[in-house]
Amino acid sequence: DGGITQSPKYLFRKEGQNVTLSCEQNLNHDAMYWYRQDPGQGLRLIYYSQIVNDFQKGDIAEGYSVSREKKESFPLTVTSAQKNPTAFYLCASSRQGAINQPQHFGDGTRLSIL
Amino acid sequence: GENVEQHPSTLSVQEGDSAVIKCTYSDSASNYFPWYKQELGKGPQLIIDIRSNVGEKKDQRIAVTLNKTAKHFSLHITETQPEDSAVYFCAAAGNQFYFGTGTSLTVIP
Repeated sequence: DGGITQSPKYLFRKEGQNVTLSCEQNLNHDAMYWYRQDPGQGLRLIYYSQIVNDFQKGDIAEGYSVSREKKESFPLTVTSAQKNPTAFYLCASSRQGAINQPQHFGDGTRLSIL
Repeated sequence: GENVEQHPSTLSVQEGDSAVIKCTYSDSASNYFPWYKQELGKGPQLIIDIRSNVGEKKDQRIAVTLNKTAKHFSLHITETQPEDSAVYFCAAAGNQFYFGTGTSLTVIP
């Protein structure tokens, strides 16, 4: 079955540590996205990529970094500069970079501070 | 940028009743309006969507209506079942997706 796989499901970060969240899709989608979800808030866009080797900042990119070396993969690094990283992180993909395409989501990674 | 407001934040209905969730948006350039269902510990799942050239769309017990003039759109679930209990998000898409803050729906058996 095609889909989006996020790993790990739970992740703990120590002070001053960078952590990387994995996102892999086998839907042959061109565009991929990272969102942050906090209780009582909607999803907020961190980064997105419409094509391999290209990505753009979303609304809350500070303290995060991404790479897009392969079409299937879009890892997100939460750096030590992100002072409030505790959240549920969701990866999504869509067929094209056009905004009116449905986005398909993975099951998320919950990041907590130790 | 776009501002999407979603109401109510929580909704409880008796099994078999209808549920309505409403969203408003601010950017007239938004032209795509998906609805997502999110169960606990899972990612959002697309349940229905509508584009700006359509006023209403229906898929079995789920329907969405769009009023572009008033900039609001609504999700209607009829004959609700306990498995409909989840958090529902609306979104408006222009140059990117903007999500509402979610509605926690509880269907009471």
